Amino acid sequence: SQQGEEDPQALSIQEGENATMNCSYKTSINNLQWYRQNSGRGLVHLILIRSNEREKHSGRLRVTLDTSKKSSSLLITASRAADTASYFCATDRWGTGGFKTIFGAGTRLFVKA
Amino acid sequence: KAGVTQTPRYLIKTRGQQVTLSCSPISGHRSVSWYQQTPGQGLQFLFEYFSETQRNKGNFPGRFSGRQFSNSRSEMNVSTLELGDSALYLCASSLTDEQFFGPGTRLTVL
Repeated sequence: SQQGEEDPQALSIQEGENATMNCSYKTSINNLQWYRQNSGRGLVHLILIRSNEREKHSGRLRVTLDTSKKSSSLLITASRAADTASYFCATDRWGTGGFKTIFGAGTRLFVKA
Repeated sequence: KAGVTQTPRYLIKTRGQQVTLSCSPISGHRSVSWYQQTPGQGLQFLFEYFSETQRNKGNFPGRFSGRQFSNSRSEMNVSTLELGDSALYLCASSLTDEQFFGPGTRLTVL
């Protein structure tokens, strides 16, 4: 079963608006990462946030992590049509069998021009 | 630096056949992980190799296997293909925590 769950499942906004996606997970983690995927292609790494960090920024992206609530959010500010993609959170943790990365189901973002 | 490459990009097989997919990691990366992506199950971890050893394994049947060579290139093999094996297979290489993904191999089983 998947560790992370994203919400919403789909999001449609106008260009220039902000987009917020949330991710919840079930067990303790080492890191949490956000990825973007365009139309069934490979994943592009966006941001990695460690379990001892609370917030990280990268350009128009802002990620927060609340380990007490086991949740993270990805904010994309001033969205563009090119941001249209699926966004996934992935949690990294040590478990039986070693270090594992487990992906959530993803949020499909559609930015209308 | 060249990115992660996967070959072939597209593949069509019939039930019962076997298939081998290849992944060349970024130069210097010793860890290679494989994932299966389907509309119904999402992205699921298959296995991870590091220095030619399988270091971690997901919950897939024994029909799914892999290996890694001394140059860090990796292959995964699926035997006795089933319709449900139709998916995008992604590999990722890493040096530390960040994984770099290839474009994937889209496998269709008829």
